[in-house]
Amino acid sequence: AQSVAQPEDQVNVAEGNPLTVKCTYSVSGNPYLFWYVQYPNRGLQFLLKYITGDNLVKGSYGFEAEFNKSQTSFHLKKPSALVSDSALYFCAVRDGGATNKLIFGTGTLLAVQP
Amino acid sequence: KAGVTQTPRYLIKTRGQQVTLSCSPISGHRSVSWYQQTPGQGLQFLFEYFSETQRNKGNFPGRFSGRQFSNSRSEMNVSTLELGDSALYLCASSFGGGAEPYEQYFGPGTRLTVT
Repeated sequence: AQSVAQPEDQVNVAEGNPLTVKCTYSVSGNPYLFWYVQYPNRGLQFLLKYITGDNLVKGSYGFEAEFNKSQTSFHLKKPSALVSDSALYFCAVRDGGATNKLIFGTGTLLAVQP
Repeated sequence: KAGVTQTPRYLIKTRGQQVTLSCSPISGHRSVSWYQQTPGQGLQFLFEYFSETQRNKGNFPGRFSGRQFSNSRSEMNVSTLELGDSALYLCASSFGGGAEPYEQYFGPGTRLTVT
């Protein structure tokens, strides 16, 4: 069964510093991995996805993610954090087979201090 | 292009009642999925529809049902509401049928409170 884990409930970072939000995955077959962000009282916004190819995936709002097959990780990164990046971040993996069903991690709250 | 819309945005119901939530996907998208979000259980998959057919269903009781119309709009229904059904219900639409890993686009959600 497909699953993802987000080991940190919260990540704190100072504005201007690099940020990393961690995600590890467990899949059978090819991993299709996604990152979403949720702002208060809003739905989820798509940031980026990994299907195949380059291990460094670039996404929206300056975010990128690094796919590491040997460590089964898909960490979200940004070189310089903004206060406006403060939100809840979800890693997700697509379930097996021809489906759009996503299996989400528990979420990581990112707090960027000014 | 307009995003995914969900109506209503907020709903308060009493235990035992039933509720219907509506979702209009992005134009051209044929796949609609529903998720329940709660503080305790996180984001859980309810069901997925593609071209009016339910393709996938999560581990929810039969009180939760849904359907998709020929214009790709979708509704979900919860009968005999329980306090534990209080949650944010999110609808997501996607272009493809699943063979290609298209991203899903989420609506703002319907906040259901059961009293």
